[in-house]
Amino acid sequence: DAKTTQPTSMDCAEGRAANLPCNHSTISGNEYVYWYRQIHSQGPQYIIHGLKNNETNEMASLIITEDRKSSTLILPHATLRDTAVYYCTPRTSYGKLTFGQGTILTVHP
Amino acid sequence: DAGVIQSPRHEVTEMGQEVTLRCKPISGHNSLFWYRQTMMRGLELLIYFNNNVPIDDSGMPEDRFSAKMPNASFSTLKIQPSEPRDSAVYFCASSSPGLQSYEQYFGPGTRLTVT
Repeated sequence: DAKTTQPTSMDCAEGRAANLPCNHSTISGNEYVYWYRQIHSQGPQYIIHGLKNNETNEMASLIITEDRKSSTLILPHATLRDTAVYYCTPRTSYGKLTFGQGTILTVHP
Repeated sequence: DAGVIQSPRHEVTEMGQEVTLRCKPISGHNSLFWYRQTMMRGLELLIYFNNNVPIDDSGMPEDRFSAKMPNASFSTLKIQPSEPRDSAVYFCASSSPGLQSYEQYFGPGTRLTVT
């Protein structure tokens, strides 16, 4: 399974963009990159995913490098409610996800 | 839809006892996943089913753990006998390749404490 590397923690000011990086240099050609977040002790929540192209939805944007070895999740206008653990994970064809330790994002007032 | 339903939400048991965790996936989803989360090991995939058939159980820690999916709307994760190191939050998630984003929907989790 592909491994991912993320910063342990990041801070962001409320209203500013939060840019969360992820390294997935061992990802295979047919594996999608998925981002989830986990708020407090709730179950993880899907944010966005991509394969090769950059993606945007109502929650975030995803920038994937051309060589697919890394990606960046962008929360354009972070709010206090975005404080959570953010996971970057590859997804196999069976839908299997492999979660790492994630990034603890703290949004400050 | 009520989402993924897990029961019980909290379970406290003594070492050596049998524990059964239950999960009802979202109707129409044909993939089901069991995860365990601890501070030390993070979020680990234990086993997943596709169309009620176990596809990959390589994450099941040992023979004390077993999982079943007798039909599309119900799954159980059983620990027998339980040990203190099994204390964790257990999540169930469901998904379907028919979903545009094929994302997993997670339940609220069962917090298990083994004393």
